[in-house]
Amino acid sequence: DAGVIQSPRHEVTEMGQEVTLRCKPISGHDYLFWYRQTMMRGLELLIYFNNNVPIDDSGMPEDRFSAKMPNASFSTLKIQPSEPRDSAVYFCASSPRFSGELFFGEGSRLTVL
Amino acid sequence: DAKTTQPTSMDCAEGRAANLPCNHSTISGNEYVYWYRQIHSQGPQYIIHGLKNNETNEMASLIITEDRKSSTLILPHATLRDTAVYYCIVINAGGTSYGKLTFGQGTILTVHP
Repeated sequence: DAGVIQSPRHEVTEMGQEVTLRCKPISGHDYLFWYRQTMMRGLELLIYFNNNVPIDDSGMPEDRFSAKMPNASFSTLKIQPSEPRDSAVYFCASSPRFSGELFFGEGSRLTVL
Repeated sequence: DAKTTQPTSMDCAEGRAANLPCNHSTISGNEYVYWYRQIHSQGPQYIIHGLKNNETNEMASLIITEDRKSSTLILPHATLRDTAVYYCIVINAGGTSYGKLTFGQGTILTVHP
């Protein structure tokens, strides 16, 4: 069984550039979550979707961040323009139901210079 | 959701049982205890969860005290691959936060040869 697939695994970009992170959830999972992990703040929930609809985006840090889920098998997290403080590992997770059991991807490590 | 307290770090010898404690003294009746772990450079991985009864699966056992104010995750025969950060999370099953995990700092478990 394929797990949650994220791309790219590593991204290095310069301040001001647009960054797009991608996620393919596990087939049949109705919930999709985007998390961010930094040394200072640990793991934080940014946004989650249910059946492709954004339900709670209260964790999105600011307007530079946006997330979409155009269909059940694909989601993007976009940062425009990127800043050095956005450097972090971004995780996508999916779940077949609204529970505490989430399946995480391997993460996308973003470095903004 | 109830707050949890975990030791910052623990050591364990390979082949021995690793017992990771978690204090959740403010837990309420409909809150579950979940455990995750995160191996270096990987996404968090679900281990086990419980409400009030002890639970066991192929990865670990979860012992919850009768008053539910604390719990212990037991890895019966720790291996070097169990070296990771272990997170104890309390989640309200009936609340809107169910599925929105809040990760604390966790316990860094180091398994020694």
